[in-house]
Amino acid sequence: KAGVTQTPRYLIKTRGQQVTLSCSPISGHRSVSWYQQTPGQGLQFLFEYFSETQRNKGNFPGRFSGRQFSNSRSEMNVSTLELGDSALYLCASSTGASGPGANVLTFGAGSRLTVL
Amino acid sequence: AQKITQTQPGMFVQEKEAVTLDCTYDTSDPSYGLFWYKQPSSGEMIFLIYQGSYDQQNATEGRYSLNFQKARKSANLVISASQLGDSAMYFCAIYYSSASKIIFGSGTRLSIRP
Repeated sequence: KAGVTQTPRYLIKTRGQQVTLSCSPISGHRSVSWYQQTPGQGLQFLFEYFSETQRNKGNFPGRFSGRQFSNSRSEMNVSTLELGDSALYLCASSTGASGPGANVLTFGAGSRLTVL
Repeated sequence: AQKITQTQPGMFVQEKEAVTLDCTYDTSDPSYGLFWYKQPSSGEMIFLIYQGSYDQQNATEGRYSLNFQKARKSANLVISASQLGDSAMYFCAIYYSSASKIIFGSGTRLSIRP
């Protein structure tokens, strides 16, 4: 079956612009999580969506937002981009059922954002 | 506090040798899950192995095994007979049932020498 698909794979923006990243989960997966990966901060949890509702949120400013559609596809948006937002943004999907074993994440290839 | 620690930023290992990557965690949750992921230079995170906090036996998946010591709160990844293709970043992660989220350690960069 198809894996997790993230688009675009690479993008370059300038400070102050906004960006929208898209993630299509594995068929049947209802949970989508987003992570930011930078060399300095490692992998940091942004938020998780399950059945179109934000179920969990990390410690990021309000400029970072997301949503999930009825087909489980998710988008994340970053407004008023800053240089420090340059990162690899990883999306991961899981069944989202309760319990640790049901939350094995399958990751997409990532969207690499460069802010100039 | 919920925390996951990987103390080895980088390791060099000779091909065909076994290697152990360390991971310790801190949680008061009785129910949690531990994961290991591999991230090659291409960037995609690849799931390797999972261990539940209530699992009595250590998890194994092919050349990967997880040395789970619950009392010591450690979940080390053991790779037997390392191969050149094992060169990558390796991340330990924990799922906290109380918070319903997964957090990752800082990673260990493993380099396999021919």
